[in-house]
Amino acid sequence: SQTIHQWPATLVQPVGSPLSLECTVEGTSNPNLYWYRQAAGRGLQLLFYSVGIGQISSEVPQNLSASRPQDRQFILSSKKLLLSDSGFYLCAWTTGTGGPELFFGEGSRLTVL
Amino acid sequence: RKEVEQDPGPFNVPEGATVAFNCTYSNSASQSFFWYRQDCRKEPKLLMSVYSSGNEDGRFTAQLNRASQYISLLIRDSKLSDSATYLCVVDTPGMDSSYKLIFGSGTRLLVRP
Repeated sequence: SQTIHQWPATLVQPVGSPLSLECTVEGTSNPNLYWYRQAAGRGLQLLFYSVGIGQISSEVPQNLSASRPQDRQFILSSKKLLLSDSGFYLCAWTTGTGGPELFFGEGSRLTVL
Repeated sequence: RKEVEQDPGPFNVPEGATVAFNCTYSNSASQSFFWYRQDCRKEPKLLMSVYSSGNEDGRFTAQLNRASQYISLLIRDSKLSDSATYLCVVDTPGMDSSYKLIFGSGTRLLVRP
């Protein structure tokens, strides 16, 4: 069966520090991968998606970047965090044929101080 | 206009009540529609897909109106355990054949004893 792992689960970082969140999927190949962010009390905002290794699409201009170095690995990064980067970050995957269901990791809760 | 819009609520209802949520979407090319449920500080999980003919799963009924571009979710005989945020989700066909799901900001439901 397929599983998705996301880490770290919780982190507190100072403004200006770097960030790296990692997500891996097991039990499937060539998944579509996604990073979403949910600010406190808000809906999910799609940040990045990837349909294959090295293929990254950005949905909104921001202080973050994403990379997909391997088929089932998706990394979210920042060189210098801003206060506004605080939120709940969710990695998700769906099959390469396009769904229908989106499977989420357990999320990473980031607080920037 | 937001791609997917929902009334944020909260809807505060007694146990046993029937409650309905609506959601509107802006992209007439959208083909896939879903309701997800998100518990506090947890990742979203698929509640049900929404089909053109409407579909029912126990106490939950979902309807799609393509002409008016809205989706509804009806919950009958509400239980305390139904308290959560309900997210309307719509696919957005991409130029690169990607499959992107856009989430509404969610409708919060509180079921009281």
